[in-house]
Amino acid sequence: QKEVEQDPGPLSVPEGAIVSLNCTYSNSAFQYFMWYRQYSRKGPELLMYTYSSGNKEDGRFTAQVDKSSKYISLFIRDSQPSDSATYLCAMGGGSEKLVFGKGTKLTVNP
Amino acid sequence: GAVVSQHPSRVICKSGTSVKIECRSLDFQATTMFWYRQFPKQSLMLMATSNEGSKATYEQGVEKDKFLINHASLTLSTLTVTSAHPEDSSFYICSAPSGQGINQPQHFGDGTRLSIL
Repeated sequence: QKEVEQDPGPLSVPEGAIVSLNCTYSNSAFQYFMWYRQYSRKGPELLMYTYSSGNKEDGRFTAQVDKSSKYISLFIRDSQPSDSATYLCAMGGGSEKLVFGKGTKLTVNP
Repeated sequence: GAVVSQHPSRVICKSGTSVKIECRSLDFQATTMFWYRQFPKQSLMLMATSNEGSKATYEQGVEKDKFLINHASLTLSTLTVTSAHPEDSSFYICSAPSGQGINQPQHFGDGTRLSIL
């Protein structure tokens, strides 16, 4: 079993839809969780960072962490074509290294 | 926010050439930086951890003589791909944590696309 599992998609939604992206993990040592957005041929951009169970909201983005189920989610409300990108979950704990999911490719159609 | 600059963004060169990639933290100091490699439609694969003032720590399977890392200052790390061959063609990305200690988010450069002919 891989440390971090993420459905690669691709995921295609109409503009305005609510998008749900998810990752599961197996390592109980993970303490902090991130979501990155990566546009084609660019480096990942940090979207959300959280280290506790529960929800964290930032504009149209909500990150959700359930440590008991080892499950994290990113919700995007009112999705826009500019949200089309690959979304990577990442997590870490006990060291500076991060473990990344494979990324989910999202396309938001106008 | 924390900004990491990576240069060059694109390199095309002949087999046998050595290529140097720079990673700079522009508005913060980074005692640690990370170098990743990313294949098409794949996630980021950590190659090595660059440590300011000491030797880099390489991940299993990464040739340290092939991928030379130097972290000469608190804002600059370099990756040199020595005697590059077509199989070294890839997207190389660096990152740096914006704070000290563990549990810090990493900020990424925009990557270097390396193509070896």
